[in-house]
Amino acid sequence: GQNIDQPTEMTATEGAIVQINCTYQTSGFNGLFWYQQHAGEAPTFLSYNVLDGLEEKGRFSSFLSRSKGYSYLLLKELQMKDSASYLCAVLDSNYQLIWGAGPKLIIKP
Amino acid sequence: GAVVSQHPSWVICKSGTSVKIECRSLDFQATTMFWYRQFPKQSLMLMATSNEGSKATYEQGVEKDKFLINHASLTLSTLTVTSAHPEDSSFYICSARDGRASQPQHFGDGTRLSIL
Repeated sequence: GQNIDQPTEMTATEGAIVQINCTYQTSGFNGLFWYQQHAGEAPTFLSYNVLDGLEEKGRFSSFLSRSKGYSYLLLKELQMKDSASYLCAVLDSNYQLIWGAGPKLIIKP
Repeated sequence: GAVVSQHPSWVICKSGTSVKIECRSLDFQATTMFWYRQFPKQSLMLMATSNEGSKATYEQGVEKDKFLINHASLTLSTLTVTSAHPEDSSFYICSARDGRASQPQHFGDGTRLSIL
């Protein structure tokens, strides 16, 4: 079966750095997306990785290792507004998006 | 760019009522639109995928006669929940994509449906 593993909940301190992991087992791979979802709201697109390596976009960076079935999202200089869930989604061989469920990231002052 | 508008944002209605939710891409042509539902603290669950001008493809376990999807134009898709019951209460979210599957899906703000 297809599976995306993410932690359920994470806590970090304002101004710090946090790494959010995602491991996947899917039938094929055509790219990995990261989305941010604030409570009660719809997801917003953060990044897309299809090749191995690190993609940097401001305070957010996303890393992919296809051989390990692994990605992480790195958030720097954390702000209170970064409190949200961070969803990882993988595009499989049929170009279907397989979604992870979280985690909920809590930022403390 | 890539704005998706979804209406209404909140619906409360009696059991047995049919509810229509609209999803519009405002500044791009959405060749493919997706309908999801999400229960609290759970992942997005894809209900159906629709391509403009053709019938929607429903995921396993989703009743196509209960959740009617119409994608009549490149900018509008609608989801009608027919004869809604309390167990249909959920957060329904649409998304739209322009072109290739490697393009990100852009989401509407979601519709919170509460059936009394």
